Amino acid sequence: QSALTQPPSASGSPGQSVTISCTGTSSDVGAYNYVSWYQQHPGKAPKLMIYEVSKWPSGVPHRFSGSKSGNTASLTVSGLQAEDEADYFCGSYAGRNIMVFGGGTKLTVL
Amino acid sequence: EVQLVESGGGLVNPGGTLRLSCVASGLTFSDAWITWVRQAPGKGLEWVGRIKSKTEGETREYAAPVRGRFSISRDDLQNTVHLQMNSLKTEDTALYYCTTGFCLYGGCHWDDAFDSWGQGTMVTVSS
Repeated sequence: QSALTQPPSASGSPGQSVTISCTGTSSDVGAYNYVSWYQQHPGKAPKLMIYEVSKWPSGVPHRFSGSKSGNTASLTVSGLQAEDEADYFCGSYAGRNIMVFGGGTKLTVL
Repeated sequence: EVQLVESGGGLVNPGGTLRLSCVASGLTFSDAWITWVRQAPGKGLEWVGRIKSKTEGETREYAAPVRGRFSISRDDLQNTVHLQMNSLKTEDTALYYCTTGFCLYGGCHWDDAFDSWGQGTMVTVSS
């Protein structure tokens, strides 16, 4: 199973919105509404930010939102804050009890 | 609060073996499905494999790059999951995390969303 495709970098100024894409195939992102997003600060473990495409785990600010169209999922961060600077990874259930992740996007807050 | 603590990482020669452990607390461990995810230095996340609960048959799944070399087992009395890694290759060098999902409103997300992670244990395969 191939990894999902994410842009290596994204950036925005404080207060702005930025969207990170995650492109898969009709066997993973396109087939299931089980896309998740993870935030990872340097030296830390990943943190779940979005699950089932657009749902928020408890405690995650709703500035983070998720969506999906066809084989591409997206994470939008609105009202960018300095602490949002991190790596973001998408993941998708890919059937046959397997999960695939994206290569990650480094978000820089300018 | 769920806590996962990995151990057992280290430096090993190519072709060698290593056994990682993941001790869990703060959850009904016997119900939990536990997944291993790895991250090579400076790279993305890679799903390695998963073991279901005993009531779900302790079914195991593995990613293609490790299938036949890695094996996951669990000890519900010790709240521990092990990742046995054999025939290690240099490309197995990574930080290995154990992680698990959650249950909410009668539905569980064991295979599609991971909300609890350990701190990881580093495996370096090099001669």
